[in-house]
Amino acid sequence: GAGVSQSPRYKVAKRGQDVALRCDPISGHVSLFWYQQALGQGPEFLTYFQNEAQLDKSGLPSDRFFAERPEGSVSTLKIQRTQQEDSAVYLCASTTRGLYNEQFFGPGTRLTVL
Amino acid sequence: DQQVKQNSPSLSVQEGRISILNCDYTNSMFDYFLWYKKYPAEGPTFLISISSIKDKNEDGRFTVFLNKSAKHLSLHIVPSQPGDSAVYFCAAPNRDDKIIFGKGTRLHILP
Repeated sequence: GAGVSQSPRYKVAKRGQDVALRCDPISGHVSLFWYQQALGQGPEFLTYFQNEAQLDKSGLPSDRFFAERPEGSVSTLKIQRTQQEDSAVYLCASTTRGLYNEQFFGPGTRLTVL
Repeated sequence: DQQVKQNSPSLSVQEGRISILNCDYTNSMFDYFLWYKKYPAEGPTFLISISSIKDKNEDGRFTVFLNKSAKHLSLHIVPSQPGDSAVYFCAAPNRDDKIIFGKGTRLHILP
C-alpha cells in the first residue's frame, strides 16, 4: 500500500501569487493533519480534519491560509497572496486512530516565495 | 515559549557506540511523548513513544527514558548504525491533542 503522498514536491512562487498544495492520505485514514515546518524548526500544527470535517484550524497563521477535504480523502491547502514568510515545508499526515498515535507523514512540499 | 526543547542541534557518534538524544519539556500536563526520525526530503517517521505512567520503553535498539520530576526524556540508540543518521524530533500532544514538536537534533553516525 502507498503511503501519504504530496504534490508538488517543490513549489516556487512569486510574492502575491496563490498556491495550492495537495495531500493524498493513506486509504482509509479518517484523520488528516497539515503542518508547517520552517527552516531549523520542528513541524508546527496548522489544521486537522476528521473525514471531511475540519475540526481544528487554530494553527493557520492568517486568513490567507485555507484548507479543505471535501470528500474526506484528498486534502488541499491553499495559500493566497503568498508572502516570503510563508516559505517552509508543508507536511501532511494521516492516521487511522486517535489524534496523534503514530501519524504517517508525507514527504512534504517545499514552498519558496520569492 | 517552547514547550518541547531539544537543546542540541546536532550530535556525532561513532558507529557501534550509544547515541543519546535529549529532550526537555515545560508543560507538566504532557502525559505522552513521541520520537520521530526524519531523513532529508522525507516526512518524519514515528519511531517510539512513551506514556507518562512508564519511565522506560524499549523497542529493539531504541529505548526511551522518561524522568517526570526533571521533565526530561532521552532516546538511546544502541548500537548506533549508519542508517541512524537523521534528524530526530521529540514531540508531545498538548491538552488540545495537537502534537508539539521540538526543533530536532541532527544525528551523524561516524564510520
